[in-house]
Amino acid sequence: ETGVTQSPTHLIKTRGQQVTLRCSSQSGHNTVSWYQQALGQGPQFIFQYYREEENGRGNFPPRFSGLQFPNYSSELNVNALELDDSALYLCASSLGSGGPGEQFFGPGTRLTVL
Amino acid sequence: GENVEQHPSTLSVQEGDSAVIKCTYSDSASNYFPWYKQELGKGPQLIIDIRSNVGEKKDQRIAVTLNKTAKHFSLHITETQPEDSAVYFCAAPARAGSYQLTFGKGTKLSVIP
Repeated sequence: ETGVTQSPTHLIKTRGQQVTLRCSSQSGHNTVSWYQQALGQGPQFIFQYYREEENGRGNFPPRFSGLQFPNYSSELNVNALELDDSALYLCASSLGSGGPGEQFFGPGTRLTVL
Repeated sequence: GENVEQHPSTLSVQEGDSAVIKCTYSDSASNYFPWYKQELGKGPQLIIDIRSNVGEKKDQRIAVTLNKTAKHFSLHITETQPEDSAVYFCAAPARAGSYQLTFGKGTKLSVIP
């Protein structure tokens, strides 16, 4: 186990709704990255938060937004849900030091959009 | 940005045999290459990683080799066991020095008892 927790584990929403997913990073880690993993694919980077500020963003529209709190936990918010948003959402925590390093993933939140 | 290609997409081996999964990357400045194992219903688990200043790293039955000139790296699992069955992903930084990872599409490994 990595010590990274995510909630909820599963979620069902309808098209057009909004959703908030939560992540608690591993103790001592100050960087959280969010990834979307479609069925049968590798994870795709959404964005990263380092010390409460967005520190890089992948090719996702603005309706994907996030927050990081002083305790380094994080939220991913998705507005105006679309059917293609159905996926496993993963967060990964790491100790930011200005370069690539080990990232530890949580178990993910399975989002289904109907 | 980085492009990571992974082969094969599926791999079946007999228990006790070795398994090799290969990845190529496009950015010659990339310097960190992790491998993740993902079991059904779980998040990816980091199993081994390598930095560009070494050519090989081993951890018990798992090893990773890196060829910077050819821009490819490989995962080697020896003496495979049924519990090695999972999907394996390679990754590389999206940009040199970035924490953002670009993943391969995964290899589903099946170890047949």
